[in-house]
Amino acid sequence: TQLLEQSPQFLSIQEGENLTVYCNSSSVFSSLQWYRQEPGEGPVLLVTVVTGGEVKKLKRLTFQFGDARKDSSLHITAAQPGDTGLYLCAGPASGGYQKVTFGTGTKLQVIP
Amino acid sequence: NAGVMQNPRHLVRRRGQEARLRCSPMKGHSHVYWYRQLPEEGLKFMVYLQKENIIDESGMPKERFSAEFPKEGPSILRIQQVVRGDSAAYFCASSPSLGEQYFGPGTRLTVT
Repeated sequence: TQLLEQSPQFLSIQEGENLTVYCNSSSVFSSLQWYRQEPGEGPVLLVTVVTGGEVKKLKRLTFQFGDARKDSSLHITAAQPGDTGLYLCAGPASGGYQKVTFGTGTKLQVIP
Repeated sequence: NAGVMQNPRHLVRRRGQEARLRCSPMKGHSHVYWYRQLPEEGLKFMVYLQKENIIDESGMPKERFSAEFPKEGPSILRIQQVVRGDSAAYFCASSPSLGEQYFGPGTRLTVT
């Protein structure tokens, strides 16, 4: 079973601060996705990273895939209250049936 | 392109009744996934289906729960003889291939 551990589990910060969320596994993933889920809604896909070492930017969000494709990070610069939500990483493990595994989630609260 | 549709959005059932949750995937998507989410928790995988086939049902309880994705029509998650512990948000996601998943808004099931 491929597990994705996210840290921190909870994060409460002031508007304007920077933060990093981590997604780690002992397994290799062929790709990793990051989602954001707001209360009462389904998760929304933010980005997919595919290549080891890849960095993708989405406005104030920077996503990085580890060189060995076992981990990923999400960095938010100058957090806004609209960034509040549950952040989930997910990915299909390499080899065989690529069942998608979801991370344990990071709940972010940005205080105005 | 319409997103993933789920209905109903809210469903109230008494203990012992049946619950039927429907999911219409995005156009052109042949992979459907069902997840369950309890408040303040991450997504728990239930079942993965392709048209007319159940690929992986390892996350679904063996009793009372069933899922189908017929050749025509939406995917159905069926819960027979519901109990209070079945109360949760149930999310459906679809994908054109393995990897990125696009989620519906969810069905919130309340068992009274």
